[in-house]
Amino acid sequence: DARVTQTPRHKVTEMGQEVTMRCQPILGHNTVFWYRQTMMQGLELLAYFRNRAPLDDSGMPKDRFSAEMPDATLATLKIQPSEPRDSAVYFCASGFSQSNYGYTFGSGTRLTVV
Amino acid sequence: AQSVTQLGSHVSVSEGALVLLRCNYSSSVPPYLFWYVQYPNQGLQLLLKYTTGATLVKGINGFEAEFKKSETSFHLTKPSAHMSDAAEYFCAVSDDSSYKLIFGSGTRLLVRP
Repeated sequence: DARVTQTPRHKVTEMGQEVTMRCQPILGHNTVFWYRQTMMQGLELLAYFRNRAPLDDSGMPKDRFSAEMPDATLATLKIQPSEPRDSAVYFCASGFSQSNYGYTFGSGTRLTVV
Repeated sequence: AQSVTQLGSHVSVSEGALVLLRCNYSSSVPPYLFWYVQYPNQGLQLLLKYTTGATLVKGINGFEAEFKKSETSFHLTKPSAHMSDAAEYFCAVSDDSSYKLIFGSGTRLLVRP
């Protein structure tokens, strides 16, 4: 089965450090989403891309978060500097731009900032 | 703007009982609607989706959902709950205008023996 691969699965870092999370979408998928999941806020859409172009990143704190797709096989989410409130599970999902196909999620990166 | 409301953050049923998880959506364009399931410490798995055509859609694990445009609803049902159905369920909406995928707050299903 094709899958969305996220690395690392777990990350513990100290406040102020840079964190980079990576996502390999399913080959051929042209839409990529980044979500953050916490108990308090649920699933928040941070950013999404279509054909590698950012469509909307209004869900991200701009001063510290950045999302990019350097090529069709890699999406990155970077936090610099990290803060304890960034502790969450970050999910990547990919699919075709026609929404009726649905989207496939990765297993997530569990980030803990101490 | 799209939005999804899931009524009930927790739903508890007995094993063998009917499962009903409620979802209402708001969308200014024809929506695509999805139900996802999340088991502990895992990602989200697509249960079923409504795109166009038949309003009653069947998914995996015996779940189904009915799209009711007049009620702006897409409730998820299963005739008989199994212990293995205990998980969190998310309703989501998307469309071919914005391509956004917006989730509801989730409903945790508990299944009692």
